[in-house]
This record gives sequence, structure tokens and C-alpha cells, in this order.
Amino acid sequence: EVRLVESGGGLVKPGESLRLSCAASGFSFISHRYNWVRQAPGKGLEWLSSIHIASRNIDYADSVKGRFTISTDNAKNSIYLQMNSLRAEDTAVYYCARDNGIWSFFDSWGQGTLVTVSS
Amino acid sequence: EIVLTQSPGTLSLSPGEGVTLSCRASQTVRTGYLAWYQQKRGQAPRLLIHGSLSRATDVPDRFSGSGSGTDFTLTISRLEPEDFAIYYCQQYGTSPWTFGQGTKVEI
Repeated sequence: EVRLVESGGGLVKPGESLRLSCAASGFSFISHRYNWVRQAPGKGLEWLSSIHIASRNIDYADSVKGRFTISTDNAKNSIYLQMNSLRAEDTAVYYCARDNGIWSFFDSWGQGTLVTVSS
Repeated sequence: EIVLTQSPGTLSLSPGEGVTLSCRASQTVRTGYLAWYQQKRGQAPRLLIHGSLSRATDVPDRFSGSGSGTDFTLTISRLEPEDFAIYYCQQYGTSPWTFGQGTKVEI
């Protein structure tokens, strides 16, 4: 069974940092690209970042470029999102999502982890 | 970036009815690289359609996608109770990948 399980969310103050993790299992980890997508409360979906395991190609949305960093640990089949200088508008459920490494539609998603940025 | 506009915002329907959802792009979506997702309350999105018309694994054939260029549609031929949800389109032809704002299909 394909599984993506996020962790690391929580309540932080503006300006603080947080690292999210996504553990993948049930398939060949290196054959895909991985993405972080967020959803603010009651709002739509926003793609944030992607990393291609084989090529190491990385991409970011302008809204997080310079503040967020995506990375992987291939030995642990895990993907991370380091989030710095957090703002209230970063409050959202953060999803890890897989694509097939060629086209960026997301065929598997984790259950999400909630990040709340508030003083 | 490509902006996707979905319409209508909300649809109130009954089981058994058919429905067509619209997704319009601000620029041509390269080679029909458009996907549709279904999201139920408290759940992650689920892929329904990719490549504008290809159903994902285990998606019932009452769901169908069409379109090209800037205009795309998702059709549900006969609504089942489990189909009441929010539907999002997403383009993956041009980075940054973007989503529409969603159409809510409610009873």
C-alpha cells in the first residue's frame, strides 16, 4: 500500500522555524518527485515546492522561495520541508504529495499536518 | 503564473443528477496538462483525472474530463451520495503548478 505520512506540525510564533517530515512507504521511493502543497483554513490548495529524487531538481513557489527549503533522506525514504521566518499567513494544513517524476499531477497524498503561526 | 478560475463556486444538486464543472485558464495549458481532484471534508485531495481526460486508478467511469487550451470540464454523469465534495482543477504544464479555487458540489 502506498503511504505518505506527514509529521512535525504544531503551533509556533511569527518569525520562528519548523521542520515538517513526510515518510514514504509501499513503493519505490527513488522513482518519483515529491511535493509540498498547503491549504489554509477554509481555502484552496497551493503548491509550494518539489524535489525530483533522481535529478535532484528543486523548485519553489515565489511565496516561499528563500524561506522554505525542501530536502530528502533517501536512506529513510523521507522528505522534509524546513520552514523559516514563519508568518501568520503560513497557517495551513501541509500535505506531502507524490507525482510520477515526469508529470506533476499528484497521485498520492498524505493526510496532512497542521501548522499554526500565532503569537 | 497561470491562473485557473473554476465555476460555479457552489452547486446544489440531488443524487442521480448529472453535473459539469468548468475550469478556465488565464493562458493555454500546455498539451492538456490538467488534472482534477476531489476533496471531502477533513480529507486529503484525491486524484480523479489527469491529462485532461484520463481517469486515475479506481475512479468510476461516471467521472469524465475534457477540454484543451484554456477551457476544461469535469462531468459527473450521475451523482452518487459519496460524490458530494469540493472539486479542484490543477495545471501542471507550466511552473508554478497552480490550482483553481474549487467548486463545491452539495446536496
